[in-house]
Amino acid sequence: EAQVTQNPRYLITVTGKKLTVTCSQNMNHEYMSWYRQDPGLGLRQIYYSMNVEVTDKGDVPEGYKVSRKEKRNFPLILESPSPNQTSLYFCASSPLTSGGALFETQYFGPGTRLLVL
Amino acid sequence: SQQGEEDPQALSIQEGENATMNCSYKTSINNLQWYRQNSGRGLVHLILIRSNEREKHSGRLRVTLDTSKKSSSLLITASRAADTASYFCATDARGYSSASKIIFGSGTRLSIRP
Repeated sequence: EAQVTQNPRYLITVTGKKLTVTCSQNMNHEYMSWYRQDPGLGLRQIYYSMNVEVTDKGDVPEGYKVSRKEKRNFPLILESPSPNQTSLYFCASSPLTSGGALFETQYFGPGTRLLVL
Repeated sequence: SQQGEEDPQALSIQEGENATMNCSYKTSINNLQWYRQNSGRGLVHLILIRSNEREKHSGRLRVTLDTSKKSSSLLITASRAADTASYFCATDARGYSSASKIIFGSGTRLSIRP
């Protein structure tokens, strides 16, 4: 089954304790992205990757890191989490068409609810 | 500020009525997409419309795109209780170069009354 998986689904942590949220897709998509969703703000893009070893900042990258060593995986790293990073996080993947120029339909993971105390 | 802004923020209609949501954006786009989200769950893609298209249909969904006004609308006809959800538009915030940032609107919360 084609899907995007995220782990963990729920996480409670304390300020400053490094954590990683994993994201994996089995559709061989080039484009992967992380979003956070907060009430009244919709989804905001944190980081995105157009292919292996190619990553770039979205609108709200501060406090986050990502890596793309393999096409299927795109982990989100919070080196020193703070309470303002409490949010609902979504990973998504998408194929790129027209030689990598056209962004297509995104497939979303189920989300990770993070609470930073 | 976000490129995609939707209105209304919330919409409540009677089952069977049509629901219309609007999205405005600021920069040139290659395509615009509409997504649906049920209460804190993952987003589900509904429909994609390219910048050279003006209207697209999928089942009970009709999407229009007006690039001169930088706006799009999503019409859901003959609404059902199961259509209760939040609806978001998303655009690729770039000109004519390679794919990059994706901007989502803040969403419209649609409630269907029985």
